[in-house]
Amino acid sequence: DSGVTQTPKHLITATGQRVTLRCSPRSGDLSVYWYQQSLDQGLQFLIQYYNGEERAKGNILERFSAQQFPDLHSELNLSSLELGDSALYFCASSVVGGLEAFFGQGTRLTVV
Amino acid sequence: AQSVTQLGSHVSVSEGALVLLRCNYSSSVPPYLFWYVQYPNQGLQLLLKYTTGATLVKGINGFEAEFKKSETSFHLTKPSAHMSDAAEYFCAVSGSGTASKLTFGTGTRLQVTL
Repeated sequence: DSGVTQTPKHLITATGQRVTLRCSPRSGDLSVYWYQQSLDQGLQFLIQYYNGEERAKGNILERFSAQQFPDLHSELNLSSLELGDSALYFCASSVVGGLEAFFGQGTRLTVV
Repeated sequence: AQSVTQLGSHVSVSEGALVLLRCNYSSSVPPYLFWYVQYPNQGLQLLLKYTTGATLVKGINGFEAEFKKSETSFHLTKPSAHMSDAAEYFCAVSGSGTASKLTFGTGTRLQVTL
């Protein structure tokens, strides 16, 4: 158990819908990362928050957004969903940026 | 920009044989390097990391990796493969600082046969 909790584990939704993925980092970790894993794109970095502030942005679509709350949990919002958004979405946390990140079990999103 | 290249998307070894998974990195700053393992339907688990200091790094489950700056490599090895080692392995690189992210390679699927 990495200490990073992601909910839900599985999500099936229709095209055009909006979903929210939730992540609770390890106790004491200030940095939260979101990654997308798909067969064709591999593991892609989406966005990083550090102590409530956005710190780095990767290949995140404009339809996607995230935030980190004062209690350090984070949410990834995906809207206007398309079939191609079907993937595993991982959250990871670390004490500070650059050190090893601990990954949650992921949320498997299926868009139908 | 930082990147890693994993040579070989699939590697097959016999049980008891040497495991060698290759990773080369590119970084304009001193890199932090990592190997992660992913079992089916699981998240990523850290195997080992190199930040500074000793270039031979030992990790969990008998794996180790050697940082070779001259070759820009960080290959993962294990002397004797077990069936339980079958999984996907990812090499990753990051810099330091609060805005550093992990950049992953494309992964190598390790198959262990009897």
